[in-house]
Amino acid sequence: DIDLTQTPLSLSVTPGQPASISCRSSQSLPQFNGKTYLYWYLQKPGQPPQLLIYEASNRVSGVPERFSGSGSGADFTLKISRVEAEDVGVYYCMQSIDPQVTFGEGTTVDIK
Amino acid sequence: QIHLRESGPGLVRPAETLSLTCTVSGGSFDSDNWWSWVRLPPGKGLEWVGEISQSGRTNYKLSLKSRVSMSIDTSQNRISLRLNSVTAADTAVYYCARSPDVWGQGTQVIVSS
Repeated sequence: DIDLTQTPLSLSVTPGQPASISCRSSQSLPQFNGKTYLYWYLQKPGQPPQLLIYEASNRVSGVPERFSGSGSGADFTLKISRVEAEDVGVYYCMQSIDPQVTFGEGTTVDIK
Repeated sequence: QIHLRESGPGLVRPAETLSLTCTVSGGSFDSDNWWSWVRLPPGKGLEWVGEISQSGRTNYKLSLKSRVSMSIDTSQNRISLRLNSVTAADTAVYYCARSPDVWGQGTQVIVSS
């Protein structure tokens, strides 16, 4: 299996400040058809995960521009340029290039 | 807009079989879609259980492979999950998803006698 390690596991951010979450893969994620199958989700309490970023760096329609994804190979990052109160929850990265789909452990973001 | 709704018993006894159904509405099964089951155990992170294609090809989490099966009924727009010989470790919220972007609200399953 491809293990995904997220850091930090928890993050407390002042509103208006930036935040960054790292997702490192135990092996380089190969591209397929020019795409990197790495995704970022936000799960709020009592809700299903919401897809924020697909194929490592593409923002889903309707997701605020303050969210951005980057990276390749084995290192990926989700950045929030200015955290807002509604951004609290657990963030997960997920890879699906390997037949055994895996998620990172999750990073809990709360507001100071 | 496509919607997914999970249904099934909320309580399953240990050693018995967990059976869940995902009903798809507002859309149809597309030949390019894969349908996944993902679970969220209490106090833990998301865990992928497996997936099934419209044609019925399956791909299961290796550690669950001996106990899990999925099926698809394209005439009824339903995907089913069966997990045999459940234990308390199978207690979780189970989500159906059209990989990777559309998710159901999830259904709580508790394994307890």
